[in-house]
Amino acid sequence: AQSVTQLGSHVSVSEGALVLLRCNYSSSVPPYLFWYVQYPNQGLQLLLKYTSAATLVKGINGFEAEFKKSETSFHLTKPSAHMSDAAEYFCAVSGTGTASKLTFGTGTRLQVTL
Amino acid sequence: GAGVSQSPSNKVTEKGKDVELRCDPISGHTALYWYRQSLGQGLEFLIYFQGNSAPDKSGLPSDRFSAERTGGSVSTLTIQRTQQEDSAVYLCASSPWTGTETQYFGPGTRLLVL
Repeated sequence: AQSVTQLGSHVSVSEGALVLLRCNYSSSVPPYLFWYVQYPNQGLQLLLKYTSAATLVKGINGFEAEFKKSETSFHLTKPSAHMSDAAEYFCAVSGTGTASKLTFGTGTRLQVTL
Repeated sequence: GAGVSQSPSNKVTEKGKDVELRCDPISGHTALYWYRQSLGQGLEFLIYFQGNSAPDKSGLPSDRFSAERTGGSVSTLTIQRTQQEDSAVYLCASSPWTGTETQYFGPGTRLLVL
């Protein structure tokens, strides 16, 4: 079975500050890990994904995440927050083949203040 | 190129009625997924199609829920005898292949059962 834990349902940062959203996973097989972003009343958009290649993954909008097997973590970071980053962020894990369904964390709502 | 589309975007129904939700995946995508997003349960997997077959139906919450896919393209999720707890946003996603491919999400159908 696979699962994801996102620490912090709400995170607030100042514009220009570092963004750090935490994700820890549990998986009995090598995981594939994803971060999705959801803006109000919209579907999910992929930010980045880890699929067993480089452990440091760069995504869209300046986000990146590092896969740390020893810590079973896949935290999302961005050096400098922008007002447009305010949204809900979901970490997800999947297997492959018939196990390719995504298992999501509970989400972290990011607030960016002036 | 068109993304994943879903219809209707909003649906209000009375308890006990049947509803059909439609998903048009990205052309050529062989894998199709249904998820449900609700306040109480977060994002949950419902069912996965590879072509017209559904190798994983493990997320369907009850036998009132069913889904089919025809021609390896359009999928319909049917909820019979709707209950208030079925109120949620139903999201569809497609991907070109199973495995590490990105799942592309539609905007969702917001279902409200009165």
